[in-house]
Amino acid sequence: DTAVSQTPKYLVTQMGNDKSIKCEQNLGHDTMYWYKQDSKKFLKIMFSYNNKELIINETVPNRFSPKSPDKAHLNLHINSLELGDSAVYFCASSQGAGFAANEQFFGPGTRLTVL
Amino acid sequence: LAKTTQPISMDSYEGQEVNITCSHNNIATNDYITWYQQFPSQGPRFIIQGYKTKVTNEVASLFIPADRKSSTLSLPRVSLSDTAVYYCLVGDGHSGAGSYQLTFGKGTKLSVIP
Repeated sequence: DTAVSQTPKYLVTQMGNDKSIKCEQNLGHDTMYWYKQDSKKFLKIMFSYNNKELIINETVPNRFSPKSPDKAHLNLHINSLELGDSAVYFCASSQGAGFAANEQFFGPGTRLTVL
Repeated sequence: LAKTTQPISMDSYEGQEVNITCSHNNIATNDYITWYQQFPSQGPRFIIQGYKTKVTNEVASLFIPADRKSSTLSLPRVSLSDTAVYYCLVGDGHSGAGSYQLTFGKGTKLSVIP
């Protein structure tokens, strides 16, 4: 019954590896997001995506790429992992685009540790 | 996306009313004001949203003055379970990539004391 789910919950990997985090929402929402929360607890949006538009935070390195096989899924692929990528990554969804004006439902987060 | 400023932390005793103020001096005409709550090791959870005046739901109230340059989240009679970080978010429904520079900020860490 979880509205927004993410896998895995924890991910430990070596520098230079490529990894993916999966996200699924069963709310029927049309927009999904990826956020990064660093050790200082800043919560920064990385992407928002619906079936019409991908909006990318221009500060996000192109090693990060969202991939959506369908409306209910938005996976995050990370290439050539770096130490600074260590953080908690949250997936979220909302009905309607515009993350600041629409109620978002967040997943439980994936804690990524890069060694 | 309007920049927001909140106190870094607040302490309160159980049973008291807590008011957390967020400043957003450059709020735009189309911007909404939204508050989220985040517990440790969990994703943020929507609390309340408003555009002007006062909004109340089952968990909180949101007060917005006429100039909309600030807003106050009011939590009535807090309990230990209200200990969390509270984020103020200001923006509209048409955020472009350029507005993603500022997102949830650092939030206010509320500690409720027995």
